[in-house]
Amino acid sequence: GQQLNQSPQSMFIQEGEDVSMNCTSSSIFNTWLWYKQDPGEGPVLLIALYKAGELTSNGRLTAQFGITRKDSFLNISASIPSDVGIYFCAGRTQTHTAQKLVFGQGTRLTINP
Amino acid sequence: DAGVTQSPTHLIKTRGQQVTLRCSPKSGHDTVSWYQQALGQGPQFIFQYYEEEERQRGNFPDRFSGHQFPNYSSELNVNALLLGDSALYLCASSLIGAAIKNIQYFGAGTRLSVL
Repeated sequence: GQQLNQSPQSMFIQEGEDVSMNCTSSSIFNTWLWYKQDPGEGPVLLIALYKAGELTSNGRLTAQFGITRKDSFLNISASIPSDVGIYFCAGRTQTHTAQKLVFGQGTRLTINP
Repeated sequence: DAGVTQSPTHLIKTRGQQVTLRCSPKSGHDTVSWYQQALGQGPQFIFQYYEEEERQRGNFPDRFSGHQFPNYSSELNVNALLLGDSALYLCASSLIGAAIKNIQYFGAGTRLSVL
């Protein structure tokens, strides 16, 4: 099935370091979303981006919607242990009666205290 | 405010059997989507239901079917199970329409193991 290209696949960092991950697509999306998934849980929305070029923050998280509408990045500043998990980007296509999300493969974040 | 709830949490089946998974949407939501998440992968869109009809479908065979009830809850049915159907099945709910802020909220999923 269709997937976005998300990188890196995994990251091993020290607590307090900054993190950056990105996502690219061959298709244009009107909305980009970033989710975090913990073990045994479903994805939880972190940030939603609605306009090309938009830069949005949520606490220590910052994400941008690429100008071409084919890419997005997520930055996490000053990482803490609870940031551990798998981060997914998702592009959304939608009509008046339906919407669907196309996900990346995920970035697994591990933090050494 | 109850979020998206799914049942059961875990399920073990054998090849060739049939399975039904259930989902109750977040309060106020009218649309349910189903996703399959294989181990180490991102979720893959199966289909979406609104007004008790399938509105959009991903690249999944007809063995995967669904239903939405008048109270907006939904079922995912998989017939003739294959080993490759082993995955986490996620349900997401949202409000219909192209309103830009209509975000999908996910349940914790049902872990299906096919032996």
